[in-house]
Amino acid sequence: AQSVTQLGSHVSVSEGALVLLRCNYSSSVPPYLFWYVQYPNQGLQLLLKYTSAATLVKGINGFEAEFKKSETSFHLTKPSAHMSDAAEYFCAVSGMDSSYKLIFGSGTRLLVRP
Amino acid sequence: GAVVSQHPSWVICKSGTSVKIECRSLDFQATTMFWYRQFPKQSLMLMATSNEGSKATYEQGVEKDKFLINHASLTLSTLTVTSAHPEDSSFYICSARPGVGRGNKETQYFGPGTRLLVL
Repeated sequence: AQSVTQLGSHVSVSEGALVLLRCNYSSSVPPYLFWYVQYPNQGLQLLLKYTSAATLVKGINGFEAEFKKSETSFHLTKPSAHMSDAAEYFCAVSGMDSSYKLIFGSGTRLLVRP
Repeated sequence: GAVVSQHPSWVICKSGTSVKIECRSLDFQATTMFWYRQFPKQSLMLMATSNEGSKATYEQGVEKDKFLINHASLTLSTLTVTSAHPEDSSFYICSARPGVGRGNKETQYFGPGTRLLVL
């Protein structure tokens, strides 16, 4: 069975500071891993994904994530936070079966202080 | 590319009525569409998976007679909440996955969501 754990339901950073959102996964097969962002009252937007190619994945809006198999982690980072980054972030895992169903973490709300 | 729309964006209805929500992939053909439900300040809960031309697969605990899903074409899936009650009030989000032959077949693209309020 697959699962995702996001440590920290809320993360608060100052504008310009490093953003680090943690995600650990459990999967019995090589996973696909995703980070999505959700702004209030909106759907989810894909930030980036890992599909067994490069372990360091660059996404939109300056975000990147590194797949570390030994740590079963896929943490999301951004060197310098902007006020516009304030949102809910979801990490998700899927297997390589034909359905590609996603299993979501509980989400992390990023707060950016001026 | 990979745009998914939902209609309506919000709906208010009386208890006992049925509500239909449409999910469309605008610039790609979606072999599979997914329907999620999200409660305030919570993560997404997968309700069902629908494949074009076949019956939807519902997750455990989701009433298939309550939440009717139709995936009649490669670009349209509908969710009908039948005999809606206040406890059905929620944010419903769909996603679509490109079909075979597309490089992004493992990726789900999400619609903007539909907020349902049942009075």
